[in-house]
Amino acid sequence: GAVVSQHPSWVICKSGTSVKIECRSLDFQATTMFWYRQFPKQSLMLMATSNEGSKATYEQGVEKDKFLINHASLTLSTLTVTSAHPEDSSFYICSASPNRPDTQYFGPGTRLTVL
Amino acid sequence: DQQVKQNSPSLSVQEGRISILNCDYTNSMFDYFLWYKKYPAEGPTFLISISSIKDKNEDGRFTVFLNKSAKHLSLHIVPSQPGDSAVYFCAASGNAGNMLTFGGGTRLMVKP
Repeated sequence: GAVVSQHPSWVICKSGTSVKIECRSLDFQATTMFWYRQFPKQSLMLMATSNEGSKATYEQGVEKDKFLINHASLTLSTLTVTSAHPEDSSFYICSASPNRPDTQYFGPGTRLTVL
Repeated sequence: DQQVKQNSPSLSVQEGRISILNCDYTNSMFDYFLWYKKYPAEGPTFLISISSIKDKNEDGRFTVFLNKSAKHLSLHIVPSQPGDSAVYFCAASGNAGNMLTFGGGTRLMVKP
């Protein structure tokens, strides 16, 4: 089946630093990738949708200057959390879609802890 | 307001019995529905889906039922196994590409 990887799987950083998370579709081309954030005991929250070669579309309330998303190729999207703060600590999950209406393939998630 | 709701945050079932997880939606533009299973510290994994042109889809122990008039879908797991213990998310998709709207999740606990 289609595999989506995320790197790193977990990261701990100091407040004020930037962290980059990669999302890769390993065996298919993903025309669209999505970034989600999960809060404890809450649902996945869609942060942004990115299409290869174009600017990401951010959901309301998500700071696009803080959460930089790049989708430079059909197999790679990156999320950079700039000037991270403890409140940014969360579980970030990406998903990739081969532009079929039946599914998204989720990555394993990245746990970010900001000290 | 939430467009996809899972009103039961948790469900406890005895091993071997049926687990029924429910999901309601409000947006009539949704035409594809999915269930995801999520273990702690892992990303959700796709479980089963159903198109709005169907009212039932079955895959092994898992069956999803869709009632469009009631805007309700359910996931049945028969027989339930301890390994089924996880959080289950329902999700819906409409014409806006493949973007999914997730419900809040239901934690299923299957007791041995």
